[in-house]
Amino acid sequence: GENVEQHPSTLSVQEGDSAVIKCTYSDSASNYFPWYKQELGKGPQLIIDIRSNVGEKKDQRIAVTLNKTAKHFSLHITETQPEDSAVYFCAASIGSYKLIFGSGTRLLVRP
Amino acid sequence: NAGVMQNPRHLVRRRGQEARLRCSPMKGHSHVYWYRQLPEEGLKFMVYLQKENIIDESGMPKERFSAEFPKEGPSILRIQQVVRGDSAAYFCASSPSQDEKLFFGSGTQLSVL
Repeated sequence: GENVEQHPSTLSVQEGDSAVIKCTYSDSASNYFPWYKQELGKGPQLIIDIRSNVGEKKDQRIAVTLNKTAKHFSLHITETQPEDSAVYFCAASIGSYKLIFGSGTRLLVRP
Repeated sequence: NAGVMQNPRHLVRRRGQEARLRCSPMKGHSHVYWYRQLPEEGLKFMVYLQKENIIDESGMPKERFSAEFPKEGPSILRIQQVVRGDSAAYFCASSPSQDEKLFFGSGTQLSVL
């Protein structure tokens, strides 16, 4: 069945450093790839997304890259801040409305 | 513009009881999705509804679980005769149309004793 693999499961970085989270998807028909940030006790918050006709997208300190050939996409956070600490989930679309989520990456930014 | 509203935030039920989870989508959104999250795991799709219609319930167990999105009022996820394995966070999301961004609510944490 369809699945999304996400790595690493935990990531600890020093404030100001960059963080990279990687995901691989299985369904070659997937065409939409959102990233969500989930803080403790809250729902997932959409932080950035990319569609398959684009290779890279950037929004301030956050960027996402997509390699359709390799079925691989990544989240890049630069100049990390303590408030970036959270669990991050990648997801890939299945059909026109269903999302398959990765298992999450717990990011800790050390001050 | 209020976000997706879910209630209750926390729900405790004993085995065999019924759980009813409510979700009011964002204003202008007529598409509702329910996802379940177990501890330390990603979200798993359960069901997709539009007003008065279930579009896809492939991720929802066929027994004990049901969902509705009536013409008036919130979407309801109903779990009958709950068991301990139903303990999880249940998230609702909404979108203005299919193939659009999903916005999630804060979830309902269901605990079955």
